[in-house]
Amino acid sequence: DSGVTQTPKHLITATGQRVTLRCSPRSGDLSVYWYQQSLDQGLQFLIQYYNGEERAKGNILERFSAQQFPDLHSELNLSSLELGDSALYFCASSVVGWGATNTGELFFGEGSRLTVL
Amino acid sequence: DAKTTQPPSMDCAEGRAANLPCNHSTISGNEYVYWYRQIHSQGPQYIIHGLKNNETNEMASLIITEDRKSSTLILPHATLRDTAVYYCIVRTNTGNQFYFGTGTSLTVIP
Repeated sequence: DSGVTQTPKHLITATGQRVTLRCSPRSGDLSVYWYQQSLDQGLQFLIQYYNGEERAKGNILERFSAQQFPDLHSELNLSSLELGDSALYFCASSVVGWGATNTGELFFGEGSRLTVL
Repeated sequence: DAKTTQPPSMDCAEGRAANLPCNHSTISGNEYVYWYRQIHSQGPQYIIHGLKNNETNEMASLIITEDRKSSTLILPHATLRDTAVYYCIVRTNTGNQFYFGTGTSLTVIP
C-alpha cells in the first residue's frame, strides 16, 4: 500500500460525458502528479501540482483539467470524452516538488480505469 | 519527454541475474536516474535511484557508467514475481518531474 488513494477504481461512461477522478496523496506529500496509460502504452505525464499550484504540464488535452485543493487532494476532470480517452489514470505523490535536488521518488496509487463507450 | 532508451523486452531464467540496460546520453550533470517497475496494470513501484555512484538496496543494484550516459539495473536473483515492465527515468531537477518511456518488459522464465 503506497498510501495514495484513488477513486473510483473503475468507471464506465459514454462519449461526450464528463468525469472526475479523485486522488488523495500520502500524508505530508505536497506534490501530486497525474499520468495517463492507454492500452499497452507507457505512462504519459499529464500535469503536476505542488502545494495547490500548477507546476508543470505534459501532454494534457484542453478537454482535461485538474486542481489541487487546500487539503492537498487533487481532482482530474475529463470532459467531452472520446473513445480514445479510455485508459488507466494514475495519480502519484511526492514529498518534494519545485526545486528539489534529491530523493523525490513518486508513490503511485492503484489507478482509475476509465472506459468510454 | 522521455530522455531514455530501453530495449522493449527481455527474458531471464529464474534464479539468474537480470541485467536491464538504459541509455540516457543527454543526461545533465545533476539529473538523477530512477528505476520503477509496473507489475501488470498496478501502480508503478519505486526500485532505486542514483546520481553518479553505484547504488544497492534490498531490491536491486544500479550501475551507472562513469560518463553517466548509460546505466544498468541488476536484479541479482530473478523470481517469477519480478516479471514486469521496468522503466528507466531521468528526473528533471527544476520541478521533480518524471517522464516515463515505454520501458522494458522483463519476463522471468521458470
